[in-house]
Amino acid sequence: DSGVTQTPKHLITATGQRVTLRCSPRSGDLSVYWYQQSLDQGLQFLIQYYNGEERAKGNILERFSAQQFPDLHSELNLSSLELGDSALYFCASSGKLAGAYNEQFFGPGTRLTVL
Amino acid sequence: GNSVTQMEGPVTLSEEAFLTINCTYTATGYPSLFWYVQYPGEGLQLLLKATKADDKGSNKGFEATYRKETTSFHLEKGSVQVSDSAVYFCALSDERAGTALIFGKGTTLSVSS
Repeated sequence: DSGVTQTPKHLITATGQRVTLRCSPRSGDLSVYWYQQSLDQGLQFLIQYYNGEERAKGNILERFSAQQFPDLHSELNLSSLELGDSALYFCASSGKLAGAYNEQFFGPGTRLTVL
Repeated sequence: GNSVTQMEGPVTLSEEAFLTINCTYTATGYPSLFWYVQYPGEGLQLLLKATKADDKGSNKGFEATYRKETTSFHLEKGSVQVSDSAVYFCALSDERAGTALIFGKGTTLSVSS
């Protein structure tokens, strides 16, 4: 158990809909990362938050957004869903903002299926 | 930009066989290198890491050495077990480009008894 929790485990929805994925980082970790794992793209970094502020953006679509709340949990919002958004979405947390050693602890993921 | 290339799988081995999964990287700076493992239905777990050239990471019988001259970080294990069956990801983190991990596409290992 990494200490990172994600809800829900599975989500099935229709094209055009909007969903919210939730992540609670390990106790004490200030940094949260979101990754998308799909068959064609592999594991891709989407976005990072540190202590409530956005720190870095990766290959995140404009239809997607995220935020980190004062209690440090984070939510990833996916809107106008398309079939191609079906993927496993991972959250990871880290206690370090920067530095050569940057171990990230991953949650179990949320599997999103868009029908 | 930074990138990681892994050998494609699947890799199928018999128990007690020797394992090598190749990983090479491209980075503008001096990245840290990682191997993560994903067991079926689970999230990723850090297997081992190396933060500078010539460092050797090791854990659970797995080893990988950070080779700057060949930009490689190959994963090895002398004797695999059925329980090692999983997907293995090589990754890098280059703090000059942010702290997010850049992953290879993953290599599926299947070990049979």
